[in-house]
Amino acid sequence: DQQVKQNSPSLSVQEGRISILNCDYTNSMFDYFLWYKKYPAEGPTFLISISSIKDKNEDGRFTVFLNKSAKHLSLHIVPSQPGDSAVYFCAARMNRDDKIIFGKGTRLHILP
Amino acid sequence: DVKVTQSSRYLVKRTGEKVFLECVQDMDHENMFWYRQDPGLGLRLIYFSYDVKMKEKGDIPEGYSVSREKKERFSLILESASTNQTSMYLCASSLGTDGNGEAFFGQGTRLTVV
Repeated sequence: DQQVKQNSPSLSVQEGRISILNCDYTNSMFDYFLWYKKYPAEGPTFLISISSIKDKNEDGRFTVFLNKSAKHLSLHIVPSQPGDSAVYFCAARMNRDDKIIFGKGTRLHILP
Repeated sequence: DVKVTQSSRYLVKRTGEKVFLECVQDMDHENMFWYRQDPGLGLRLIYFSYDVKMKEKGDIPEGYSVSREKKERFSLILESASTNQTSMYLCASSLGTDGNGEAFFGQGTRLTVV
């Protein structure tokens, strides 16, 4: 059973607009949530994280929102740029053993 | 600059061969991970190690084993390679409980089993 779910396999957004990527989770034992970006033939790179005790974290164009009651988080990218086209993975860390579980990813296309 | 290095970018092996994938990190991290990435399935955890000689099974450990004799090195072993193990393999390391969970990844090894 998937503990971290990204239900949208792909998303297309116009350059300059906001990209919103969504993620749901089922396990209440996660203490950190993370977003990674991945280009083809490269390893994922870390974007931003949020502690389970926070509801928002911002870093430049990237903001992550956490809604614990809904077990939902989202990544907002504003404004979207061509270099943002990539696969985005949502991940969560277990607080009992540091294991990191990933979702299936969402492919983001930024349209000119 | 932090680094996780995987020994090979591309590997082609025959069915039944024993395959070793090596990973080295230079950040003195406690935790190391092996994932495989397949289209439509995301990153799936194969094995995880939180200390030298310590390991835990991930979601898909069947057909794999691991070795961590030194803190900086984590090896993934395919005991008898099969075609369904053709995949992109990704190694990662993370600081441990004190950190924010951020994991640093290697560049990946594209393994093809023929």
